[in-house]
Amino acid sequence: EVQLLESGGGLVQPGGSLRLSCAASGFTFSNYAMSWVRQVPGKGLEWVSSITGSGTNTYFADSVKGRFTISRDNSKNTLYLQMNGLRAEDTAVYYCARKPYSSGSYHFDYWGQGTLVTVSS
Amino acid sequence: EIVLTQSPGTLSLSPGERASLSCRASQSVSSNYLAWYQQKLGQAPRLLIHGASSRATGIPDRFSGSGSGTDFTLTISRLEPEDFAVYFCQQYEGSPQTFGQGTKLEIK
Repeated sequence: EVQLLESGGGLVQPGGSLRLSCAASGFTFSNYAMSWVRQVPGKGLEWVSSITGSGTNTYFADSVKGRFTISRDNSKNTLYLQMNGLRAEDTAVYYCARKPYSSGSYHFDYWGQGTLVTVSS
Repeated sequence: EIVLTQSPGTLSLSPGERASLSCRASQSVSSNYLAWYQQKLGQAPRLLIHGASSRATGIPDRFSGSGSGTDFTLTISRLEPEDFAVYFCQQYEGSPQTFGQGTKLEIK
């Protein structure tokens, strides 16, 4: 069974940093591209970042480019999102999501339960 | 950026009825790279449809997707009580991939 479990969310002050983790199980992690998608509670979904299965290529939304970094450790079956320079508008539930292949333009076939990030003083 | 507009914003129907949800793109999604997700309160989104019309694994056949170009539709043939939720469409052809704002399907 595919499982994705996010952690690392919490309350952080504007300008602060946070690192999110997503522990994957139930599949061969390195064979799949992974992404982060966020959602302001009660609102829509916004793609944040993606990384290919090998970790070679990364992609970011313009709203987070230069502030967020995505990475993965295939030996630990874990995806990361390093968030620096956080702003109030980054407040959201952050979901880890799997794409069905190691690279390319695809939908998200599995999602984690999400972790809440709140940016406030 | 491809903007997806979903309509209606809220759809009020009764169990057993047929639901049709619309997703319109600001430009053609030419490879039919269009997906639909269901999200229940407090839960993560669940993939229903990808490639505009292919049902995801384990999704009941009362869910179907259709359309091409700029106009796509999710149809639920006979609503079950567990189908009342929020539905999002997503295009993954253009960069960035984008989502519609959602349609809330509520019990009438």
